[in-house]
Amino acid sequence: NAGVTQTPKFQVLKTGQSMTLQCAQDMNHEYMSWYRQDPGMGLRLIHYSVGAGITDQGEVPNGYNVSRSTTEDFPLRLLSAAPSQTSVYFCASRLNGGTEAFFGQGTRLTVV
Amino acid sequence: GENVEQHPSTLSVQEGDSAVIKCTYSDSASNYFPWYKQELGKRPQLIIDIRSNVGEKKDQRIAVTLNKTAKHFSLHITETQPEDSAVYFCAPRANQAGTALIFGKGTTLSVSS
Repeated sequence: NAGVTQTPKFQVLKTGQSMTLQCAQDMNHEYMSWYRQDPGMGLRLIHYSVGAGITDQGEVPNGYNVSRSTTEDFPLRLLSAAPSQTSVYFCASRLNGGTEAFFGQGTRLTVV
Repeated sequence: GENVEQHPSTLSVQEGDSAVIKCTYSDSASNYFPWYKQELGKRPQLIIDIRSNVGEKKDQRIAVTLNKTAKHFSLHITETQPEDSAVYFCAPRANQAGTALIFGKGTTLSVSS
């Protein structure tokens, strides 16, 4: 039981490049979400999903796309990276009617 | 949607002192009140939670109290130790399917020995 797995752990992008941050969970959780963490800003919700085929915007969705084709995977896509997207990204999951959220280990992204 | 505020944003205490962090929320439908701890360079992890039918819950040196009328709940840490140094987040919500998980901005606790 690996929990929530994020890849990669570190990434450097050039402005304008695209990339996908991967998130997978093996706990059969319906709810999955992506956050970005910046100093003094806490954990801000980017997008979330309550089940396969269902996604919704969070607090800061601009510049990011998501899809949820399976229960296990919830990738986050940056179509054209900008320096303002330099941040630490966390994926989290929980049961839809559950309580505790489980986090991945984070991805530190730098856009130059 | 839920509007969550945490106070203070930073807190410095001496080892052995108590620390209290307060979280206020806006959604009266909220019925689940957790606190997460994030150590430096690590992922957030749940440390204690409370449901709306309970006013207080304790787990060794940490406790959470809830005032649903005033829409706030607090994290209490007694006999603080250096390993309590971390960022603490609250994430109140209505515990039902489909509810987004929104966090407060966090409180950085520093415990000096």
